[in-house]
Amino acid sequence: DQQVKQNSPSLSVQEGRISILNCDYTNSMFDYFLWYKKYPAEGPTFLISISSIKDKNEDGRFTVFLNKSAKHLSLHIVPSQPGDSAVYFCAASAPGANSKLTFGKGITLSVRP
Amino acid sequence: EAGVAQSPRYKIIEKRQSVAFWCNPISGHATLYWYQQILGQGPKLLIQFQNNGVVDDSQLPKDRFSAERLKGVDSTLKIQPAKLEDSAVYLCASSLHNTRIYEQYFGPGTRLTVT
Repeated sequence: DQQVKQNSPSLSVQEGRISILNCDYTNSMFDYFLWYKKYPAEGPTFLISISSIKDKNEDGRFTVFLNKSAKHLSLHIVPSQPGDSAVYFCAASAPGANSKLTFGKGITLSVRP
Repeated sequence: EAGVAQSPRYKIIEKRQSVAFWCNPISGHATLYWYQQILGQGPKLLIQFQNNGVVDDSQLPKDRFSAERLKGVDSTLKIQPAKLEDSAVYLCASSLHNTRIYEQYFGPGTRLTVT
């Protein structure tokens, strides 16, 4: 039973345009969400997070939007750069679960020059 | 600051053999995690340590997997005997404390192939 779903396995965008990566979750107990970025042969690195008390969090070119009623979040990258080409994982955690993260399958983003 | 170190980076073994992975977390990080990432899937938590005590090992296949974190620093993950379905990347991560506001830092992983 996948509690965090990233249904699109890949996304290709032109440099300078917006990249929108989507994530859905089924566990209504999740109240903290994170995005990780992973390059080949490296471990995932933290990108941005959002708590369920917010519906938006912005950090430079990266913005995460949370729609609690739809159990949906998205990561927007504007403008996209070739160095953003990587696998992006959505992760979630529930209160009282220590720091345990549940990850989605990931989306491979390719930014074309 | 040095990152999370893991070794070996790659390992190929035959089924029914045993294998061990080593992780050295970031200095001062109390919490250590082992994840299994099967190709095409996201990382799945196997075990979480707080210092040298186990916090969560609910998804660790205890009949074949074992892990320890002696002295609350380095950790080893062992598989004995290995099965074909254990082929995956094994990621170690650490964080300053065991609360989710603290970022998890991941090592580069060990890619295991079981033939």
